Amino acid sequence: DQQVKQNSPSLSVQEGRISILNCDYTNSMFDYFLWYKKYPAEGPTFLISISSIKDKNEDGRFTVFLNKSAKHLSLHIVPSQPGDSAVYFCAASSPRGNAGNMLTFGGGTRLMVKP
Amino acid sequence: DTGVSQDPRHKITKRGQNVTFRCDPISEHNRLYWYRQTLGQGPEFLTYFQNEAQLEKSRLLSDRFSAERPKGSFSTLEIQRTEQGDSAMYLCASSLEIGEAFFGQGTRLTVV
Repeated sequence: DQQVKQNSPSLSVQEGRISILNCDYTNSMFDYFLWYKKYPAEGPTFLISISSIKDKNEDGRFTVFLNKSAKHLSLHIVPSQPGDSAVYFCAASSPRGNAGNMLTFGGGTRLMVKP
Repeated sequence: DTGVSQDPRHKITKRGQNVTFRCDPISEHNRLYWYRQTLGQGPEFLTYFQNEAQLEKSRLLSDRFSAERPKGSFSTLEIQRTEQGDSAMYLCASSLEIGEAFFGQGTRLTVV
């Protein structure tokens, strides 16, 4: 069973508009959430993270919102730029002594920002 | 470049052959992870090292897979008797005890 789900496989937005990428999780033990961005033929690049004790974290054009009661998080990109076009992965981790910061990933959302 | 480095970037092998991949983590990172990513999916956890100790292995890691981190620095992932289902991107990541993991560019394996 997928513990982290990204239900939208793709999203297309106009340059300058807001991009909203969504992620749902089922495991209530997750306490740290991350977003990674991936270009073709490259490894994932860390974008932004949020601890479960917060409900919002902002870094420049990127903001992550966490709704623990709904087990839902979202990534907002404002304004969107063509260079943001990539696959975005949501990931989560839980405190497990033997597995370090092992991440459970969603299936990804392909964002296309049109000029 | 002080990021995570993986070698080779691409590997094509015949079914039944053995392959070995190498990962050089960020030097001060004591935690090292291997993940596997297939087309259209997110990365899936394979195994985790803290320094030289392999502390966790996923059930995805069959007996044909073995990973080592002999001196707590670089790591190798070996796949014996490769099968077509092993074709995937193999990703290595490293981290400190707290904070995000940084990924390498991956090794794309194609088994023909």
